[in-house]
Formats: sequence, C-alpha cells, structure tokens
Amino acid sequence: RKEVEQDPGPFNVPEGATVAFNCTYSNSASQSFFWYRQDCRKEPKLLMSVYSSGNEDGRFTAQLNRASQYISLLIRDSKLSDSATYLCVVNVLSGKIIFGKGTRLHILP
Amino acid sequence: DTGVSQDPRHKITKRGQNVTFRCDPISEHNRLYWYRQTLGQGPEFLTYFQNEAQLEKSRLLSDRFSAERPKGSFSTLEIQRTEQGDSAMYLCASSADRYEQYFGPGTRLTVT
Repeated sequence: RKEVEQDPGPFNVPEGATVAFNCTYSNSASQSFFWYRQDCRKEPKLLMSVYSSGNEDGRFTAQLNRASQYISLLIRDSKLSDSATYLCVVNVLSGKIIFGKGTRLHILP
Repeated sequence: DTGVSQDPRHKITKRGQNVTFRCDPISEHNRLYWYRQTLGQGPEFLTYFQNEAQLEKSRLLSDRFSAERPKGSFSTLEIQRTEQGDSAMYLCASSADRYEQYFGPGTRLTVT
C-alpha cells in the first residue's frame, strides 16, 4: 500500500458544481495533514491545513478521520480558477513529508 | 520578496557532469526540505534539515546526491555524475517546525 493515495484523476466538473477529493494514508503515526494546490509548471502552494475537528475556508472544507486514516477536501460552487492539481500531504512522526500523486481538476465553463 | 528562492531556475547539463542547486529559505524558518518532481507525479521527498542538521534522507537520494545546510540558512543540493534519469524539477521548501511548508519556484534540470 502506498504511503499516501489519492483519487486518480482527472475530474472534469462543470462550473458551480461541488467536487470532493479523497486521500488515504498508511502511517498511523502521521501527525499533520495538508492540502496543496499546484498549477501547471508551478510550485505547490498551501491551500489549507487539515485539523481533527474539520475546518472550512470559504468554499473549501477539509475533514480528517484518524480512525480510518482518511482525509477529504470539498470544493463548493467551483470556479474556473479552481482548475489545478490538488495534492494531499502527510507529515509523519520523523518529520518526513509525503505527498500524494495529486488529483487533477478541470472546471468546465 | 521574502519567499523561498532557488537558483538557478533552469539548468541544462550533459550526462556525467556535476550540478549544484541553491535554496534560500524564508529567514525565520528552521526547517528546509528538498523534493524531486517528475511530470504527472507529486513531489518526492529527498531530505530535510532542521537548522544545520540533516535529519532524514530518502532512499531516493543515492550516493551521487548530497545536500548541505552549513549555517542553518541556505542549502545546496549537489548531483554528481548526472544521468538522464535525474532530469526533473527540484523543489525546495521551508517551514517553521512542523507547520506548513512554503515552496520555492524550483530548479528544472535537463540532462542531455
């Protein structure tokens, strides 16, 4: 089992729709979790941290289920500018950071 | 600009040559990370430093790769005897302890 696994994309979603990304991780000792966004040929940029209680930032909601070792990201009312690759990131106890392969999102006009 | 910077942004080299990349982190960040990313993949962890100490090193980092952070500020990543398989984007990131990482623009290496 890979250390961090994400939905294989791409997702093609009409503008205004809601889209959900899922991510699972294998190391139960993982300590912190993040979602990053990466535009084509650019560096990853932090989208949001993921907290145990779940957290929301505008149209974006992140959830963490430690028992199932599962992280999710929900984007509501999607915009054309949301088109990007979304990376799930896990920080394990040793300090090592593991990225998922990423899920590509295309928002269709 | 107070973000993470990397130099050079692009490097083309012939197989067998040595290359060195530099990363300047955000000044108050004590952790510095190196990653490699190829097309269609997420960034792959190579190594990280806390201050000047190299605390973790991936199995991906063969003996041809070495990284340093001599004074706990900037870092260098050297690749000796480059191979075509080393062609990738090399990303540097910094963070304050275990908090969010901030990435530099990357160095794109092409080995011909």
